[in-house]
Amino acid sequence: SQQGEEDPQALSIQEGENATMNCSYKTSINNLQWYRQNSGRGLVHLILIRSNEREKHSGRLRVTLDTSKKSSSLLITASRAADTASYFCASGTSYGKLTFGQGTILTVHP
Amino acid sequence: GAVVSQHPSWVICKSGTSVKIECRSLDFQATTMFWYRQFPKQSLMLMATSNEGSKATYEQGVEKDKFLINHASLTLSTLTVTSAHPEDSSFYICSARSRFSGELFFGEGSRLTVL
Repeated sequence: SQQGEEDPQALSIQEGENATMNCSYKTSINNLQWYRQNSGRGLVHLILIRSNEREKHSGRLRVTLDTSKKSSSLLITASRAADTASYFCASGTSYGKLTFGQGTILTVHP
Repeated sequence: GAVVSQHPSWVICKSGTSVKIECRSLDFQATTMFWYRQFPKQSLMLMATSNEGSKATYEQGVEKDKFLINHASLTLSTLTVTSAHPEDSSFYICSARSRFSGELFFGEGSRLTVL
């Protein structure tokens, strides 16, 4: 399979805690993106990090990228119950093709 | 922001019938559109890449005669599932790449249930 891997597959935390998800990919990339998906719904784009960047922040989100290890991590700080969703990383080419990781199911308990 | 509309958002059909799903970029032109399939509790798998005015490029293992893709204009791509069977039941999601900015935008998805 060309799909990347994500770990953990499932993560359960309390509100206010931080959540860290990791992603590995297999081929060289132009960018690495993170998406969120609520059950049965479409994708919400969270953040994009380019292959020449190492870290990026957006609100409570922090993404890192290590191209030498072909890995990325997503940190959600001060989690909220509303953050409960599935999170997917996707490695992207310059023309828009995305290869998704297997996803992490995050549950944030109030 | 840019909007990609998928229609229908959900459809139920009988085994053996064909179903057409539309992916439309509402306020931008898309030279490239991508079609993904997502089975329950799984990730998204790319099915094919659709370029305006040319034949779609299918990923390995995706039957091009079964999943017909047409990208006749810069704002519309269609996916037709021909002779659908229960195993084709899935969530189909498209994304469109802006001709000018190169940004990607996803549709809300179409849930197909084949009885």
